[in-house]
Amino acid sequence: AQTVTQSQPEMSVQEAETVTLSCTYDTSESDYYLFWYKQPPSRQMILVIRQEAYKQQNATENRFSVNFQKAAKSFSLKISDSQLGDAAMYFCAYRSAGGRDDKIIFGKGTRLHILP
Amino acid sequence: NAGVMQNPRHLVRRRGQEARLRCSPMKGHSHVYWYRQLPEEGLKFMVYLQKENIIDESGMPKERFSAEFPKEGPSILRIQQVVRGDSAAYFCASSPRLLQETQYFGPGTRLLVL
Repeated sequence: AQTVTQSQPEMSVQEAETVTLSCTYDTSESDYYLFWYKQPPSRQMILVIRQEAYKQQNATENRFSVNFQKAAKSFSLKISDSQLGDAAMYFCAYRSAGGRDDKIIFGKGTRLHILP
Repeated sequence: NAGVMQNPRHLVRRRGQEARLRCSPMKGHSHVYWYRQLPEEGLKFMVYLQKENIIDESGMPKERFSAEFPKEGPSILRIQQVVRGDSAAYFCASSPRLLQETQYFGPGTRLLVL
């Protein structure tokens, strides 16, 4: 069974600085998707970024980028120029790309604080 | 284009009552997923449905929980005889087809069992 591990329950970063959130996963599959979701105090789940496992190039979305290391099964999220609105829970997530297993597996989350 | 709709947003029930949570997927989406988030935890998959079919209910508790997605109308997650441990946020997500890479989440229903 696939698992997703986020080893940092909480992190803090100064406004305008850069922060990296860690995520590792375990799978025997070769084709899959990885995601980072943001959950602000409203608790709405917001997709931040996604990565296809077959792509070697790291995904980027404006100030958000990932460091995808397939062999190491690592998928970290880098937030540049942190803003107060980035304060939220961040969840790393995994989904198979083949077969009929369509569910998303989430890590336990990292709570990110932005210090003004 | 409206997103995934869930109602009610907040639901309070006493132990032993029934809870019914509704999810209307995005327009054109025929696949619905239910997830549960316990306090300070990540989301856990419960069930995956297509219209009139349950495809995967491997994450659903064996008793008291049921889900449906009828031909017409929203998907319903039903919890009978609720207990305090059922207190959680329940999220619905939808996608347009099987293995669509992105699931779009609704705002969730916060269930509190007194």
